Amino acid sequence: AQTVTQSQPEMSVQEAETVTLSCTYDTSESDYYLFWYKQPPSRQMILVIRQEAYKQQNATENRFSVNFQKAAKSFSLKISDSQLGDAAMYFCAYRSAAGTDKLIFGTGTRLQVFP
Amino acid sequence: GAGVSQSPRYKVAKRGQDVALRCDPISGHVSLFWYQQALGQGPEFLTYFQNEAQLDKSGLPSDRFFAERPEGSVSTLKIQRTQQEDSAVYLCASSLVQGASYEQYFGPGTRLTVT
Repeated sequence: AQTVTQSQPEMSVQEAETVTLSCTYDTSESDYYLFWYKQPPSRQMILVIRQEAYKQQNATENRFSVNFQKAAKSFSLKISDSQLGDAAMYFCAYRSAAGTDKLIFGTGTRLQVFP
Repeated sequence: GAGVSQSPRYKVAKRGQDVALRCDPISGHVSLFWYQQALGQGPEFLTYFQNEAQLDKSGLPSDRFFAERPEGSVSTLKIQRTQQEDSAVYLCASSLVQGASYEQYFGPGTRLTVT
């Protein structure tokens, strides 16, 4: 079975600085997708960024980028130029390319942004 | 168009009562998922529908949990004889089709408290 581990329960960053959130996963599959979701206090989960395992190039979405290391089964999220609105819970998630599309989530990292 | 909506947003039930939680997915979305999010944890998969067919119910924790999507649109998650351990936020998500890297769009969740 696949598992996702987020070892940082809480992180903090100052506005305009850069922060990296860690995620590791375990799988025996070769084809899968990885996601970072943001869950603000209102609780609506929002997709931040996605990565297809077959792509070597790291995904980037504006201030958000990932460092995908397939051999190490690592998928970290870098937030550049942090803003107050980035404060939220961040969840790393795994989805197999086969079977149903269910997401397997980590336990989350709470990000605080200080002015 | 409108996003995924869920009702009620909050539900308090006495132990032993039955509850029904509703999810309205984004119009035209084929796939629908239910997740359970305990306090301080990441969401955990409960069940998955493709149109009206329930293709995966491997995450339902007991036979007290039942989900349906009779017309391939609105879905209801029913919990019979609620127990305190059922207290959690129940999230619904929908996606356009199955497969590829299609995004799952999440609703705001229903917070269930069993007293």
